[in-house]
Amino acid sequence: DAKTTQPNSMESNEEEPVHLPCNHSTISGTDYIHWYRQLPSQGPEYVIHGLTSNVNNRMASLAIAEDRKSSTLILHRATLRDAAVYYCILRETGTASKLTFGTGTRLQVTL
Amino acid sequence: DAGVTQSPTHLIKTRGQQVTLRCSPKSGHDTVSWYQQALGQGPQFIFQYYEEEERQRGNFPDRFSGHQFPNYSSELNVNALLLGDSALYLCASSLYLGGPGEQFFGPGTRLTVL
Repeated sequence: DAKTTQPNSMESNEEEPVHLPCNHSTISGTDYIHWYRQLPSQGPEYVIHGLTSNVNNRMASLAIAEDRKSSTLILHRATLRDAAVYYCILRETGTASKLTFGTGTRLQVTL
Repeated sequence: DAGVTQSPTHLIKTRGQQVTLRCSPKSGHDTVSWYQQALGQGPQFIFQYYEEEERQRGNFPDRFSGHQFPNYSSELNVNALLLGDSALYLCASSLYLGGPGEQFFGPGTRLTVL
């Protein structure tokens, strides 16, 4: 499984943008980049995914480098409810392929 | 839609015992995956069931087994429990032919082995 590297922790002030980086230098051409987050005492929650182009949804934006060796999850205005562990995952193309989690980035949001 | 449900919420067992955890997938989903999450770690993939068969398996011993029923619900069985099996067990559901889409996770079952 291709691996990802993320900072262990990051801090942000409420209502400011947050950029969560992820390195994946061994990504293959068919790997999708997925982001999940896990709030305290809950199961992981899907955030966003992409292949080559930048993606936006109601929760976040995903910026993918042109060489696909890195990506950034962007939370446009962090709130206290965004405090969670964020996981960057490379997911193989194919039917219902498994998710391989790393240790993620713990995001702290302060007033 | 109740989403993915798991039971029980918490469970305490002793070493050597056997345990069964249960999962009901999100309505319309046909695939169930199980993950183990140790304290402070990310979830680790155990196995996946589709059409009542194990389709993928992670690096877990044969003590971990599962089953999927015709209504797509699933069970995870762990035999001969070890202290190291203490963890949060997560169930995730998806569509087998749904492409690289999202998996929906349940809240998990917290297993403590004494």
